[in-house]
Amino acid sequence: AQTVTQSQPEMSVQEAETVTLSCTYDTSESNYYLFWYKQPPSRQMILVIRQEAYKQQNATENRFSVNFQKAAKSFSLKISDSQLGDTAMYFCAFTTSGTYKYIFGTGTRLKVLA
Amino acid sequence: EAGVVQSPRYKIIEKKQPVAFWCNPISGHNTLYWYRQNLGQGPELLIRYENEEAVDDSQLPKDRFSAERLKGVDSTLKIQPAELGDSAVYLCASSLDGHLRGRDGYTFGSGTRLTVV
Repeated sequence: AQTVTQSQPEMSVQEAETVTLSCTYDTSESNYYLFWYKQPPSRQMILVIRQEAYKQQNATENRFSVNFQKAAKSFSLKISDSQLGDTAMYFCAFTTSGTYKYIFGTGTRLKVLA
Repeated sequence: EAGVVQSPRYKIIEKKQPVAFWCNPISGHNTLYWYRQNLGQGPELLIRYENEEAVDDSQLPKDRFSAERLKGVDSTLKIQPAELGDSAVYLCASSLDGHLRGRDGYTFGSGTRLTVV
């Protein structure tokens, strides 16, 4: 079975500091895609960053970057220069090339402190 | 562009009553998804539509849940009768697919928070 695990239910970080959210996954597939979604109190899931498993280079999107360790099946999200607007639930998600179905983790609640 | 629009935003009903949720996806997105998000959990897929065809409804509790996507655009998810355990956020998402199969990520709506009392 394919699973996604987020072991940090809650985290906090001071504004302008850097924080890393952890995610591990389990799959026997070789071709898959990983995502981080942000869910603010508005409830809308917003795509933050995505990574193709066949790419060795870690994805970056402005202040957001990932550390993708394929052998360890780890996909962590680093948020640099944290802003108050980054306060939200963050979900790690996974899908394989042969299916449309996303498997989500249980989420990490991030609070950015002023 | 309006994004994925869902209504209502909140719904409180008594158990055994029916309820319906509506979703309008992004124009041109042929794939539509309904996800259920229980409190403290990540979303779980209920059903996926390709145009007007339900191509994956294996997770939909068919004894009480039904869905339709008329003309391959708007979609409605219905629960009849609702149970206490149906309390959750129901999220709709859409994607412009073809061969990409959602690998570029979905666009989600803001969901409907259902409370069954």
